[in-house]
Amino acid sequence: AQTVTQSQPEMSVQEAETVTLSCTYDTSENNYYLFWYKQPPSRQMILVIRQEAYKQQNATENRFSVNFQKAAKSFSLKISDSQLGDTAMYFCAFITSGTYKYIFGTGTRLKVLA
Amino acid sequence: DTEVTQTPKHLVMGMTNKKSLKCEQHMGHRAMYWYKQKAKKPPELMFVYSYEKLSINESVPSRFSPECPNSSLLNLHLHALQPEDSALYLCASSQGRAGILTDTQYFGPGTRLTVL
Repeated sequence: AQTVTQSQPEMSVQEAETVTLSCTYDTSENNYYLFWYKQPPSRQMILVIRQEAYKQQNATENRFSVNFQKAAKSFSLKISDSQLGDTAMYFCAFITSGTYKYIFGTGTRLKVLA
Repeated sequence: DTEVTQTPKHLVMGMTNKKSLKCEQHMGHRAMYWYKQKAKKPPELMFVYSYEKLSINESVPSRFSPECPNSSLLNLHLHALQPEDSALYLCASSQGRAGILTDTQYFGPGTRLTVL
């Protein structure tokens, strides 16, 4: 079975600090895509970052970067210079090439403190 | 532009009512999705449309009826719902070219549905 595990239900970080959210997944497939989505209290799921499994280079989007360890099946998200607007639920997800369904983790609720 | 819009933002309905949720995107995407999300849980896939045809129904009860009138619009018709159907309903779209559904999904802001 394909699964995604986010082991940190809740985290908090001081404004301007760096925080890392963990995500591990399990699949026997070789071609897949990984995502981090952010869902603020406003409810909309916003794509934060995407990683193709065949790419060794870690994806980066401004203050957000990932540490993708394919052999370990780990896909952590690092948020640098945390801002109050980063307060949200963060979902890790992956989808296998040739399938239609995202497999979501249970989410990590991140609170950025002033 | 990666915008998916949904109306209404909030909906309260009785168990005997009929209502509809609407989703629209103008990104030229050919795949559209309905999700149901309970509080503090990840979204659960309900339906997938590819090129305006229903591709996937994740064993959703018939009181939920999806419709895709054109490539930009997706509706979810609701009838005889139960209180446990109260949830956030999210729409998403992806490029879906050549029927490929593994590309990035872009979500709308959702409709908060309460069934009394």
